[in-house]
Amino acid sequence: NAGVMQNPRHLVRRRGQEARLRCSPMKGHSHVYWYRQLPEEGLKFMVYLQKENIIDESGMPKERFSAEFPKEGPSILRIQQVVRGDSAAYFCASSPQGTVTERSEQYFGPGTRLTVT
Amino acid sequence: GENVEQHPSTLSVQEGDSAVIKCTYSDSASNYFPWYKQELGKRPQLIIDIRSNVGEKKDQRIAVTLNKTAKHFSLHITETQPEDSAVYFCAATYSGSARQLTFGSGTQLTVLP
Repeated sequence: NAGVMQNPRHLVRRRGQEARLRCSPMKGHSHVYWYRQLPEEGLKFMVYLQKENIIDESGMPKERFSAEFPKEGPSILRIQQVVRGDSAAYFCASSPQGTVTERSEQYFGPGTRLTVT
Repeated sequence: GENVEQHPSTLSVQEGDSAVIKCTYSDSASNYFPWYKQELGKRPQLIIDIRSNVGEKKDQRIAVTLNKTAKHFSLHITETQPEDSAVYFCAATYSGSARQLTFGSGTQLTVLP
């Protein structure tokens, strides 16, 4: 049973380019969360999605950032017109069910380390 | 929203000693408290969690305690080993509505051989 998959593992973009980060949840998991981790800091929530729905995007910057989780395929976090401050590790986590108390564990992917030059 | 404070930020212990990391949370509705271990350059790994209907949970050398009244929870690692060296994060959430995890700022644990 494969864990949470993310790609690419490392991504280098120049200022102004677009970054696309992909996340495939664990088999049987229908809930995806994106977190950002700045160097030597904790993880900060960005967005929570279910298939074809954004449930909570309260942690995501209003501009340049967007996320989706289509019916088919991985979840995608998209950052347009990247700036140096976007350099961070972006982690995706998945959980089996979000609304059942006993099944709320979140398992993390290996992360995508974005460097903006 | 939820706010989680974690202490200490760094902790060094001798191999074989115990380590304790403490967290406090602000939202009394939070009912799920996981702990993650993150080695350098790796993903956060869930090592233990506790729900608000219990006060303590153990898994071999790791234990977590929860005081709902005081709104704090702690991670205890006994008989520490060098491979326990990592950054540990506590988190809190209200699992009933699948809210996001709110993380503490992390504790860098170093186990000295």
